[in-house]
Amino acid sequence: QKEVEQNSGPLSVPEGAIASLNCTYSDRGSQSFFWYRQYSGKSPELIMFIYSNGDKEDGRFTAQLNKASQYVSLLIRDSQPSDSATYLCAPNTNAGKSTFGDGTTLTVKP
Amino acid sequence: DAGVIQSPRHEVTEMGQEVTLRCKPISGHNSLFWYRQTMMRGLELLIYFNNNVPIDDSGMPEDRFSAKMPNASFSTLKIQPSEPRDSAVYFCASKPIPGSPNYEKLFFGSGTQLSVL
Repeated sequence: QKEVEQNSGPLSVPEGAIASLNCTYSDRGSQSFFWYRQYSGKSPELIMFIYSNGDKEDGRFTAQLNKASQYVSLLIRDSQPSDSATYLCAPNTNAGKSTFGDGTTLTVKP
Repeated sequence: DAGVIQSPRHEVTEMGQEVTLRCKPISGHNSLFWYRQTMMRGLELLIYFNNNVPIDDSGMPEDRFSAKMPNASFSTLKIQPSEPRDSAVYFCASKPIPGSPNYEKLFFGSGTQLSVL
């Protein structure tokens, strides 16, 4: 089993719709959870992080965490063409190790 | 701050040659990570250092790969001998000291595109 699994893509949504990205992780020692966005040909950049069970909202982005189910998700409301990118889930352990899922490629169609 | 600096940006070499990738982390950061990204395998963690000490190198694929961090401002990833299957984008990333702002955020360099012919 891979340490981090993300919903297989690619994911395509129309402009203005909600995009839902999912991630499960195997290491119960993971304490913090990060979502990175990577545009084609660029390096990953952090867009959201969450530490506690529940929801965390930042603008059009909402991260949801359920530690009991070892599940974290990212919702993007009012999706824009500029949101088209690959989204990477990255749980962190207490030791500071950062591993990534394979990513979900999102395309937002105008 | 100039961010994480990697060199070279592109490297084309022939199979069997030695390749050295370089990374300068952000000043004051005490953790440094080397990742490899391919279409098939995604973004793989190769090795990471805390305070210049290697903590976990379980992701290093083979003995052909080695990494060093002689001081807080410089790290190298060496492949000797290189093979075509090593072709990938290699990213270096650093993290701030625990307790500082954004201390769990990874700051990535622009990557090195390696092509082994």
